[in-house]
Amino acid sequence: DTAVSQTPKYLVTQMGNDKSIKCEQNLGHDTMYWYKQDSKKFLKIMFSYNNKELIINETVPNRFSPKSPDKAHLNLHINSLELGDSAVYFCASSHRDLPFDEQFFGPGTRLTVL
Amino acid sequence: AQTVTQSQPEMSVQEAETVTLSCTYDTSESDYYLFWYKQPPSRQMILVIRQEAYKQQNATENRFSVNFQKAAKSFSLKISDSQLGDAAMYFCAYSRDDKIIFGKGTRLHILP
Repeated sequence: DTAVSQTPKYLVTQMGNDKSIKCEQNLGHDTMYWYKQDSKKFLKIMFSYNNKELIINETVPNRFSPKSPDKAHLNLHINSLELGDSAVYFCASSHRDLPFDEQFFGPGTRLTVL
Repeated sequence: AQTVTQSQPEMSVQEAETVTLSCTYDTSESDYYLFWYKQPPSRQMILVIRQEAYKQQNATENRFSVNFQKAAKSFSLKISDSQLGDAAMYFCAYSRDDKIIFGKGTRLHILP
């Protein structure tokens, strides 16, 4: 059983397009995250939602909009894609009430903007 | 602001040998968590080991152990009896509340 799943795994698209990446977790966690991993492997948090409420919103272009229809889902929508958006995007989840702030990661989505 | 520094971008170790990956961090908090994540070529992020800052005892998971020096803000990972499957990027991470901050990673090569 997949704990945190992301779709699609690979996404190749043209500049200027709008695309979405979906994330689902079946762990019963109340907090979900989006990270961007750049070509140098650096992982940076973009957003965090707790119980469908935005709690962390790092400095990312407003072309990126997270959407959380329920606690188990956090989708990432990207408008007007740019070359610099090419990266691997990771979804993760955690539970605030657990003693560890351990985050469980999805398999990642490799986005390539041409 | 909290920062995490991994000063070794790349390391190599002979199979069956022991290797230590360094990590230092900066925080003014006293209560937090520290993690080591492994990212193999499959790209999956896998938790290797975790440490609660208020625990003095170093965490251990099979061949993986940490040397946690709270005063020095150091959190190194020791891998004993290195195996080919240990080849990966290793990320040190600091976490408090809902935020996790990663170091830039250390690429570990295992030499047969």
